[in-house]
Amino acid sequence: QKEVEQDPGPLSVPEGAIVSLNCTYSNSAFQYFMWYRQYSRKGPELLMYTYSSGNKEDGRFTAQVDKSSKYISLFIRDSQPSDSATYLCAMSPYDKIIFGKGTRLHILP
Amino acid sequence: NAGVMQNPRHLVRRRGQEARLRCSPMKGHSHVYWYRQLPEEGLKFMVYLQKENIIDESGMPKERFSAEFPKEGPSILRIQQVVRGDSAAYFCASSPGRAEHNEQFFGPGTRLTVL
Repeated sequence: QKEVEQDPGPLSVPEGAIVSLNCTYSNSAFQYFMWYRQYSRKGPELLMYTYSSGNKEDGRFTAQVDKSSKYISLFIRDSQPSDSATYLCAMSPYDKIIFGKGTRLHILP
Repeated sequence: NAGVMQNPRHLVRRRGQEARLRCSPMKGHSHVYWYRQLPEEGLKFMVYLQKENIIDESGMPKERFSAEFPKEGPSILRIQQVVRGDSAAYFCASSPGRAEHNEQFFGPGTRLTVL
């Protein structure tokens, strides 16, 4: 079993819909959980950063961490065509970040 | 406020040549990380450096790859005697310090093509 599993997609949703992106992991030592957005031919951009379990909201983005299930989610409300990108989950026990392979998201106008 | 800078953005090398990739961290950041991204693959950690020190190189291939972050100037990732399998996007990230390790800011990447 890989340390971090993420469905590569692609995921296509209509503009304005709520998007749900998810990752599962196997290492119970992970304490820090991040979501990065990567546009084509660009570097990853840190979107959300959470420590341990719980929810965190930032504008249209909400990150959830459920450590008991080893499952993290990113929700995007009122999705826009500009949200079309690859979303990478990432997690860390402290000193090394492990990335998922990324989910390609297409928002259809 | 400039972000992480990487150059060149694109690099073409023939098999057996050397590739040098440069990374200038964000202003005020003294920790640098190098990652490799293959097509359809996630980012793979290679090496973590502080000024004049290699903190963690557990992701670096044992041969042909080396990295440095001198007291002055950018961090350099060096690949000797490149092979076709080295073709990938190489990203550099930086953070202010070890406590902020999980808040890394990435550069635009260098896309290496080995002919």
